[in-house]
Amino acid sequence: KAGVTQTPRYLIKTRGQQVTLSCSPISGHRSVSWYQQTPGQGLQFLFEYFSETQRNKGNFPGRFSGRQFSNSRSEMNVSTLELGDSALYLCASSSGGGNQPQHFGDGTRLSIL
Amino acid sequence: SQQGEEDPQALSIQEGENATMNCSYKTSINNLQWYRQNSGRGLVHLILIRSNEREKHSGRLRVTLDTSKKSSSLLITASRAADTASYFCATVSGTSYGKLTFGQGTILTVHP
Repeated sequence: KAGVTQTPRYLIKTRGQQVTLSCSPISGHRSVSWYQQTPGQGLQFLFEYFSETQRNKGNFPGRFSGRQFSNSRSEMNVSTLELGDSALYLCASSSGGGNQPQHFGDGTRLSIL
Repeated sequence: SQQGEEDPQALSIQEGENATMNCSYKTSINNLQWYRQNSGRGLVHLILIRSNEREKHSGRLRVTLDTSKKSSSLLITASRAADTASYFCATVSGTSYGKLTFGQGTILTVHP
């Protein structure tokens, strides 16, 4: 079974630009969650989508948004990029039910110049 | 926001020794999970323990959970150089199944 795939692996942008990151979950998984990892703040939850609906949301500004498609693939968008958005963005998928582990992709490393 | 703290922040041991990492959390939980992260890679799920469980084993891993103290520990026995990684605990509360709240992590270095 193929794992979670995130594209691209690396991205360099400048302040003020916007970016879209993509995540393909494990086949059959209906839940996709996104996390931001930085040295200062650690791993922080951004949002979760389940069956195309946002089910949970973290404490990030509205510049961070996402969506999920009918095939469960998900995209995350960040607008008006700031230097502080430089981070490793991780996507994870699961069946969406209780007491199920999440399966992570290798992430997208976003650098803002 | 982080759920709690892990200690130690860093642990350095020799191959063959046991490694113990601790995690504390703040709110009531549905389950607690441990993940491993190798440098620059994604997280790998190690073990999940439900709030009504006290201990769980998986291979060389042993996890305990004390909900009265809001704490958990991960024991890796007979460690190997390949166990060198960062280890994170993460909690799930209520029915927010897709939302993991992570600790700060423990960096484990196993010297051959």
